[in-house]
Amino acid sequence: QQPVQSPQAVILREGEDAVINCSSSKALYSVHWYRQKHGEAPVFLMILLKGGEQKGHEKISASFNEKKQQSSLYLTASQLSYSGTYFCGTEMGGGGFKTIFGAGTRLFVKA
Amino acid sequence: DVKVTQSSRYLVKRTGEKVFLECVQDMDHENMFWYRQDPGLGLRLIYFSYDVKMKEKGDIPEGYSVSREKKERFSLILESASTNQTSMYLCASSFPLRAYYGYTFGSGTRLTVV
Repeated sequence: QQPVQSPQAVILREGEDAVINCSSSKALYSVHWYRQKHGEAPVFLMILLKGGEQKGHEKISASFNEKKQQSSLYLTASQLSYSGTYFCGTEMGGGGFKTIFGAGTRLFVKA
Repeated sequence: DVKVTQSSRYLVKRTGEKVFLECVQDMDHENMFWYRQDPGLGLRLIYFSYDVKMKEKGDIPEGYSVSREKKERFSLILESASTNQTSMYLCASSFPLRAYYGYTFGSGTRLTVV
């Protein structure tokens, strides 16, 4: 039931791009994305509610392919401040509102 | 600034003790959640509540219970702490129905059971 995130970890140089994927074995109603810096609380980035929806947040954007039951988070021209662990949270259809989180993707951006 | 506040940042307890973790939010959110976070496993849902005195089991409720007597406060109780409950515990809250604005998390309580 837990969504699968890939890759587990990624190291970037400042200015490089990255893609983080989140896949579910079940139909999804929505996908949330969060970033957690070391020792801090996870911070909400965005939620995607409809299949095919895309959103942007600064240079971070995401897409949601409802048919494929997956979402991708795109980080372009990465900055040092993007370092942290990224979690996707998935919400199943059919009622209820609990969110199940993936294991996380650790992103490190170096100068 | 809106907040979810967890009462303790670090906690050390002995095996068999009854442990209370407290969480308070000031956003008038109906929904509140308790997750535990372990390396490589991400955030796993323990319990959640969508109203005062209401509670629902999450994916790993064994060994835990919760209490929600007031809208702003959601407590996690470890009935008899065990070493395998050593973890980071995160509380979160959200608006009702679909979490259109996402969850707001507390800073976490790192619990060590010895």
